[in-house]
Amino acid sequence: EPEVTQTPSHQVTQMGQEVILRCVPISNHLYFYWYRQILGQKVEFLVSFYNNEISEKSEIFDDQFSVERPDGSNFTLKIRSTKLEDSAMYFCASSDGGSLGEQYFGPGTRLTVT
Amino acid sequence: AQRVTQPEKLLSVFKGAPVELKCNYSYSGSPELFWYVQYSRQRLQLLLRHISRESIKGFTADLNKGETSFHLKKPFAQEEDSAMYYCALSPIQGAQKLVFGQGTRLTINP
Repeated sequence: EPEVTQTPSHQVTQMGQEVILRCVPISNHLYFYWYRQILGQKVEFLVSFYNNEISEKSEIFDDQFSVERPDGSNFTLKIRSTKLEDSAMYFCASSDGGSLGEQYFGPGTRLTVT
Repeated sequence: AQRVTQPEKLLSVFKGAPVELKCNYSYSGSPELFWYVQYSRQRLQLLLRHISRESIKGFTADLNKGETSFHLKKPFAQEEDSAMYYCALSPIQGAQKLVFGQGTRLTINP
């Protein structure tokens, strides 16, 4: 069964550094998402992406964040200058956009900012 | 504002006992409601959604628009049901964002 994959599984970075989190959505899916979960808190929506552009973003998704689909398979989340409060689990999800809109989640990348 | 509330962070029941995980939502329109589950060391996966009106692994959930609730129920809990359960709302049908509740960690005791 096809799955969403994410790399790396764990990323440690210093405050102020740029990080890129990578995701490979399910191949025939058209809608892509990033969510994050700070330890002990709820899963929060960051951004959705369709047809090579952002379709919706949350107020968390400020100018420090960007997303890209650089080729036909990858979907990336970039944080330009990481802060301590960016430490979280980041989940990628994809959907075929059908009427039921089921989103399939990746295993997550744990980002630790020191 | 869209909000999902799961009042219980932890819930522990004995095997064979009934289970009810509570979920209340706040949304002015007609949302889609989902239950996602995360078993130990596994990814988030969809358990069920209100629009399908289906029963998965013995679980059911009924959308009560008057009480704005979408409680998850199972008549006889099994040990393999131990997991983290998240209630989620999507503002409109189709490929939209999910708004999650805090999650309830369900533990089934033998």
